[in-house]
Amino acid sequence: SQWGEENLQALSIQEGEDVTMNCSYKTYTTVVHWYRQDSGRGPALIILIRSNEREKRSGRLRATLDTSSQSSSLSITAAQCEDTAVYFCATDSNTDKVVFGTGTRLQVSP
Amino acid sequence: ETAVFQTPNYHVTQVGNEVSFNCKQTLGHDTMYWYKQDSKKLLKIMFSYNNKQLIVNETVPRRFSPQSSDKAHLNLRIKSVEPEDSAVYLCASSSRQGNQDTQYFGPGTRLLVL
Repeated sequence: SQWGEENLQALSIQEGEDVTMNCSYKTYTTVVHWYRQDSGRGPALIILIRSNEREKRSGRLRATLDTSSQSSSLSITAAQCEDTAVYFCATDSNTDKVVFGTGTRLQVSP
Repeated sequence: ETAVFQTPNYHVTQVGNEVSFNCKQTLGHDTMYWYKQDSKKLLKIMFSYNNKQLIVNETVPRRFSPQSSDKAHLNLRIKSVEPEDSAVYLCASSSRQGNQDTQYFGPGTRLLVL
């Protein structure tokens, strides 16, 4: 899981496997964004889930949000090599300040 | 499709020099940001500007200063760079301050201080 000053997490899987990345946050948030960052590029939004939603799907992506435990997860079904990237969660802590998680580096091998 | 543009892509300089990075967004957004990303991929917000007003200013060293001519541009100047300034600097924009709306990032400027 990613948060605070923890080091970047790393996951390595084979193509076709499912994978789940976790994110915990410290204070209330109205929305959790999940971004992916490809090498040499800036982060880009892939899915977001609001505090009144428990689950959100987009293609092979599935995000969940548990406000009681202040945690969110991102799952990728049948991962492909092109899913290799660094994934970040981001919350707003109900303030103007955006806080990004420490990130998970996902490596998908053929 | 790129809508947040940053220049230069890469910059190498010596300790003590001054550098300036440019950022422009063509999304019509009201808020722009500068982030620093270290070698461990940790993203830390440095500044955000909303309608030419600084609204979030993290405890960054005074040698860093944001500069905005209009809401589509937010540059970053570093006076007298230090070795620890080596990082990727990412510019982003959003249509409202805070995390309510998605942030759109530029490709980043990689700074190496020798």
